[in-house]
Amino acid sequence: ETGVTQTPRHLVMGMTNKKSLKCEQHLGHNAMYWYKQSAKKPLELMFVYSLEERVENNSVPSRFSPECPNSSHLFLHLHTLQPEDSALYLCASSQDPVSEQYFGPGTRLTVT
Amino acid sequence: SQQGEEDPQALSIQEGENATMNCSYKTSINNLQWYRQNSGRGLVHLILIRSNEREKHSGRLRVTLDTSKKSSSLLITASRAADTASYFCATDAFRSGSEKLVFGKGTKLTVNP
Repeated sequence: ETGVTQTPRHLVMGMTNKKSLKCEQHLGHNAMYWYKQSAKKPLELMFVYSLEERVENNSVPSRFSPECPNSSHLFLHLHTLQPEDSALYLCASSQDPVSEQYFGPGTRLTVT
Repeated sequence: SQQGEEDPQALSIQEGENATMNCSYKTSINNLQWYRQNSGRGLVHLILIRSNEREKHSGRLRVTLDTSKKSSSLLITASRAADTASYFCATDAFRSGSEKLVFGKGTKLTVNP
């Protein structure tokens, strides 16, 4: 256990569905991240929140919408996704943006 | 462009052998980190080495850093089947107005029993 939990662990959704991924960290960290990991591609940083403010948005399509209601919780709202969005979505947290990051187990998303 | 790149992309060894993975990067760093990822799971932080350090140990792991060559290596001694995983290096980089960690593509290590 890394102190970072993610739900659900697996998600299958159609292209017209709306769903949300949830991440929670119990480490008292100030920064939280969403990453996308596709087969044979480097880990892609999607969003960074520091002290509940979004400090990074790596040209992510608007069909992905992050929300950070407090320093312990991070959501990724999904709507009208495409099959190429199927991937492992990883949440992480750290004390600051360049310290060691603690990752959740990931959500395996399949878009049909 | 990729900040950190691991080499080799894949490595297969027998249990008991040592495994060495390399990471090269392009710009100056403050620290370099190594992570492990078991198939389909989250990454686990292994070790952080700062730019003013040359070598660091943690159990069976040994990390070296050569800032003049902009490279690092991760050595796993006396490997076990449980070491089978992908290993990533990550470097701190200043991009787009903010500091962040940038991960390489990883080395997939297979340790055969």
